[in-house]
Amino acid sequence: DTEVTQTPKHLVMGMTNKKSLKCEQHMGHRAMYWYKQKAKKPPELMFVYSYEKLSINESVPSRFSPECPNSSLLNLHLHALQPEDSALYLCASSLGANVLTFGAGSRLTVL
Amino acid sequence: EDQVTQSPEALRLQEGESSSLNCSYTVSGLRGLFWYRQDPGKGPEFLFTLYSAGEEKEKERLKATLTKKESFLHITAPKPEDSATYLCAVFPGGYNKLIFGAGTRLAVHP
Repeated sequence: DTEVTQTPKHLVMGMTNKKSLKCEQHMGHRAMYWYKQKAKKPPELMFVYSYEKLSINESVPSRFSPECPNSSLLNLHLHALQPEDSALYLCASSLGANVLTFGAGSRLTVL
Repeated sequence: EDQVTQSPEALRLQEGESSSLNCSYTVSGLRGLFWYRQDPGKGPEFLFTLYSAGEEKEKERLKATLTKKESFLHITAPKPEDSATYLCAVFPGGYNKLIFGAGTRLAVHP
């Protein structure tokens, strides 16, 4: 199994909703990442988990809350988002500082 | 400050017209340079990793090269299916943070 699975593929939410994005990998990778990507821009790093511990938080607003329940799963909890948070959210995993394998992304629209 | 700059921003080619994409970088202690391909609305797809100056990698119509300051992605006789955004990224020394360039949007027309 050489892939990263993200659900849902599409999510529409209001500014008062609470929702979660999920990511799963079974490659034995111990580093997992959340990136945010706006149209025609490169991916921007949000969070890095290394061995299930948060190692990098790129000053992301608290309305985004990451969680790593185990070495295969990564969640991103969303609450009180703003329309400007609409973007493609990408999950990735890697064996240390090596090739990142990306999921297909979750397209988020905030109304 | 660690930085990755890609050029051109966009490139339009006729089918069969070979060209090169550039990625210049300034990082402290390079631990790897990566090329990814990204189709609209999808996640980046890994193409190549380069670790040291002089290294070259090839895959079908693509060839990636690395010097101490830049990398090139050469596309030989491209086809319309090669149309995508090509992203260059680096792992600087010290921490697990892959830094992306802004990408080159390639369009290959029949």
